[in-house]
Amino acid sequence: TQLLEQSPQFLSIQEGENLTVYCNSSSVFSSLQWYRQEPGEGPVLLVTVVTGGEVKKLKRLTFQFGDARKDSSLHITAAQTGDTGLYLCAGDDKIIFGKGTRLHILP
Amino acid sequence: KAGVTQTPRYLIKTRGQQVTLSCSPISGHRSVSWYQQTPGQGLQFLFEYFSETQRNKGNFPGRFSGRQFSNSRSEMNVSTLELGDSALYLCASSRQIDPNTEAFFGQGTRLTVV
Repeated sequence: TQLLEQSPQFLSIQEGENLTVYCNSSSVFSSLQWYRQEPGEGPVLLVTVVTGGEVKKLKRLTFQFGDARKDSSLHITAAQTGDTGLYLCAGDDKIIFGKGTRLHILP
Repeated sequence: KAGVTQTPRYLIKTRGQQVTLSCSPISGHRSVSWYQQTPGQGLQFLFEYFSETQRNKGNFPGRFSGRQFSNSRSEMNVSTLELGDSALYLCASSRQIDPNTEAFFGQGTRLTVV
């Protein structure tokens, strides 16, 4: 059974700090997606990574797909309060989801 | 354009009852997927429909069922409700079944079983 493990489970940091959250698996995925979910809303797609070693940037967010396509990371530079939310990774046709990292940025 | 619409937003049911949830996808989207989200288990895949056919099914008991209509609208049904079925039920639509196609989620239906 394919699983996606996300770490840390919770993260609370001050505005302006940098952070990295991880999505790991023992299985190979053809692609991984990252979503952000805010309270009372459904998840919103941030990025899809499809090539091993790929790095994608979305403003202050940098996403990396591992060379072996088993893991991914999300790095946020100079976090802002608007980055607060639940970050989810998903693979394999959006059938497998990690349990998420709940991020809280303190003003 | 209008997003994915789920109705109702909130629902309270009693154990043993059944419930039907509705999802209207974005116009032109033919794929609809359903998920159950709980604090303990996270987001778990229920099933996916494309052009009225179930393409994939997650590891849920047969009490959970779904269908898709010719206009791509989808419903899911849970029979003989249990307390553990309390969750946020999300549906997502996408234009096609390509894994890299963006999925758009609705706001969900919050089901509470008492």
